[in-house]
Amino acid sequence: DIQMTQSPSSLSASVGDRVTITCQTSQDINKCLNWYQQRPGKAPKLLIYDVSNLETGVPSRFSGSGSGTDFTFTISSLQPEDIATYYCQQCDNLPFTFGPGTKVDVK
Amino acid sequence: QVQLQESGPGLVRPSETLSLTCTVSGDSFSSYSWRWIRQPPGKGLEYIGYIYYSGSASYNPSLKSRVTMSINTSKNQFSLKLSSVTAADTAVYYCARGRHTIVGDAFDIWGPGKMVAVSS
Repeated sequence: DIQMTQSPSSLSASVGDRVTITCQTSQDINKCLNWYQQRPGKAPKLLIYDVSNLETGVPSRFSGSGSGTDFTFTISSLQPEDIATYYCQQCDNLPFTFGPGTKVDVK
Repeated sequence: QVQLQESGPGLVRPSETLSLTCTVSGDSFSSYSWRWIRQPPGKGLEYIGYIYYSGSASYNPSLKSRVTMSINTSKNQFSLKLSSVTAADTAVYYCARGRHTIVGDAFDIWGPGKMVAVSS
């Protein structure tokens, strides 16, 4: 299985701050990387697919980048509704493994 | 608007079989893959596997010996069976739609989740 790491595991930031989460994979995943948001008590929601493509209806303050084994997820201006845990997921090799998650809080 | 909904028992005895069904409404069942993912309380997401309209399926090797997925195209439903359950199988179980993207697949629509506890 492809191993996934995320950092940080949690963060606290102020409204309006720029937030960056990194995801690292154990091997090259050919840009097959997705990002999900999971608000407390809710199902995950797809935000970004194929590293940098914004899912329809997702605010443009969310973005992704990267290649090879290193990927970045950014919230350009943190909003109160962004309180959630964010997961990266590789879709290059079965099983499609998820990162351990990054919990984002608003100060 | 496409919706997915999990259903099934919320409590399963140890060593028995967990059975869940996901009902899909408002969608073309044949155009996507259909996935199961679970999340133990307070933990991260674990991929279980997928099934296609054709009935072909693929499972996470860590669960493969205990997992069976099936599909009922006439009812727009797909199902998960997990045998010989233990307390470690206690989790929220999600069904999701897998959509092909340029590079791979993304899980673009999820059910609300079904909490299943394994306990005697």
